[in-house]
Amino acid sequence: DAKTTQPPSMDCAEGRAANLPCNHSTISGNEYVYWYRQIHSQGPQYIIHGLKNNETNEMASLIITEDRKSSTLILPHATLRDTAVYYCIVSGVGNQFYFGTGTSLTVIP
Amino acid sequence: NAGVTQTPKFRVLKTGQSMTLLCAQDMNHEYMYWYRQDPGMGLRLIHYSVGEGTTAKGEVPDGYNVSRLKKQNFLLGLESAAPSQTSVYFCASSYWDSTEAFFGQGTRLTVV
Repeated sequence: DAKTTQPPSMDCAEGRAANLPCNHSTISGNEYVYWYRQIHSQGPQYIIHGLKNNETNEMASLIITEDRKSSTLILPHATLRDTAVYYCIVSGVGNQFYFGTGTSLTVIP
Repeated sequence: NAGVTQTPKFRVLKTGQSMTLLCAQDMNHEYMYWYRQDPGMGLRLIHYSVGEGTTAKGEVPDGYNVSRLKKQNFLLGLESAAPSQTSVYFCASSYWDSTEAFFGQGTRLTVV
């Protein structure tokens, strides 16, 4: 079973930051938080992942709370191409990714 | 690099027919996975492999078999297709534990 809870949908104005929350209150010490997105019916695309510390790459930032029970994916300047379903996944040993239903993000012009 | 390639991209089967979906990766990844995605739902893990010659069951393994005879290939078999197996199938691979997974573009299977 997916170990995360995400809002089913969110809207964001183009050019603004999109902040996508994820709750993973049962995360264990050796589990990472991953974010993927799926545009239309394409294969999911990796965005970012982290264990304890906040992470940033060219696509996004990942903020993990100190107790690790929740995290937020930040897309700093959302564009129309960022409209997609975003999946927050918790995974550890064996690297088995269990996807939930994700958050459908719509970027509005 | 082609990444992860799935064959075929589309297929229509009659109930009871068998078929094999092929997943090939050229990144020398240890881990490979098969998922299915039904309309309005997230991906569900069918089977996975943590290395050549190994396979393991995921969330929804019934009705499917897999084989990983070569490191670069992961085959998903349907011995007797059923309409409930109509879905989009995604293959993925990753180098090791805690590394990012790369996905193929999917196979749309319809069982009539």
